[in-house]
Amino acid sequence: QQPVQSPQAVILREGEDAVINCSSSKALYSVHWYRQKHGEAPVFLMILLKGGEQKGHEKISASFNEKKQQSSLYLTASQLSYSGTYFCGTELSGYSTLTFGKGTMLLVSP
Amino acid sequence: DTEVTQTPKHLVMGMTNKKSLKCEQHMGHRAMYWYKQKAKKPPELMFVYSYEKLSINESVPSRFSPECPNSSLLNLHLHALQPEDSALYLCASSLYRDSNQPQHFGDGTRLSIL
Repeated sequence: QQPVQSPQAVILREGEDAVINCSSSKALYSVHWYRQKHGEAPVFLMILLKGGEQKGHEKISASFNEKKQQSSLYLTASQLSYSGTYFCGTELSGYSTLTFGKGTMLLVSP
Repeated sequence: DTEVTQTPKHLVMGMTNKKSLKCEQHMGHRAMYWYKQKAKKPPELMFVYSYEKLSINESVPSRFSPECPNSSLLNLHLHALQPEDSALYLCASSLYRDSNQPQHFGDGTRLSIL
């Protein structure tokens, strides 16, 4: 079951904050976050596991709300390099496959 | 540069041709994946190999044939493809086929079917 990402697109000025959400109608085991720039490979950002803690470092962090089956990615004081499409990928069990959401396009302008 | 290397970067082929895509990683990962990605869409899983054995085939048409000759190498053999198969084909690897493990993606092969 494909997770639902919101918003579909975000336009920010450098230094502004953004939140990207990923939600599922089914109980999740894990949520993975990736960023893909145009013409490039998706790059791993972080994994959140059921029962795990909020993860992140410096200006990019994420949380996983098990009650809501929702994960949020927090981008603080955005930089031009943050531009790209952010995908969340979800797993329903410890050995299931990753299903990606439709993506959120983030554009950071100077 | 990514640690997963895919060749070729671009491929144009006719519907009657036979070609192969190659993916290589030297990180000691034991799980490898093929994804298909259409423009402005998320990657869609095609195949998963775990310890060189095919673990998952997501109902992919037989004109796509994967092969894992050794733990570092993954091939995707293509035959009699259709125009709708034009897409970016991404290879990924992870340490194990496990939720704790991030997947590392290659830059992909952009495939065009004439």
